[in-house]
Amino acid sequence: DGGITQSPKYLFRKEGQNVTLSCEQNLNHDAMYWYRQDPGQGLRLIYYSQIVNDFQKGDIAEGYSVSREKKESFPLTVTSAQKNPTAFYLCASSMFKGLYQETQYFGPGTRLLVL
Amino acid sequence: AQSVTQLGSHVSVSEGALVLLRCNYSSSVPPYLFWYVQYPNQGLQLLLKYTTGATLVKGINGFEAEFKKSETSFHLTKPSAHMSDAAEYFCAVRSGGSNYKLTFGKGTLLTMNP
Repeated sequence: DGGITQSPKYLFRKEGQNVTLSCEQNLNHDAMYWYRQDPGQGLRLIYYSQIVNDFQKGDIAEGYSVSREKKESFPLTVTSAQKNPTAFYLCASSMFKGLYQETQYFGPGTRLLVL
Repeated sequence: AQSVTQLGSHVSVSEGALVLLRCNYSSSVPPYLFWYVQYPNQGLQLLLKYTTGATLVKGINGFEAEFKKSETSFHLTKPSAHMSDAAEYFCAVRSGGSNYKLTFGKGTLLTMNP
């Protein structure tokens, strides 16, 4: 069954702690994305990656880091530099078709809470 | 730069009534337009999309949307609402071509009158 999985569903972070959110896809998609969702603000792009070993900053990358060592995996680390990390985090992926990005498909999300 | 405005952060309808969720966009090039639905504590599910061709697009669950270039709009409609339609709906725009970026509206929460 193809899809995008995110884990954990809920994550708690203590002050000064780095935490890592997992995102895996078995859709053979080339591109992967991380979004942050806050109530009433829609989705904002944190990072994206179009190919393995390459990624670019989105609109709100400060305090976050990513890696893309495998095509199917795109983990997001929320560092201690991110002062307001409480949010719902969504991972997405899409395929290239010729030169064009196709539709983005989303995982079920991870809710990050600060203790 | 592209942007999306969803008019009305909250819309409430009765079961069987028409659903109309408004979306206006700005884009410097021909846009690709999307509607996604989100149920509580879940990810986003694609409802429908417009890329090129026919301007009236039909999606899942009886929803449809019409691309009107002159009005820069892509409103979402459903003739008869069902209780299961209660959710948050997001409109998104992507500039055509290889541009990666989806720009989302702030969302419209659809609730059903009891």
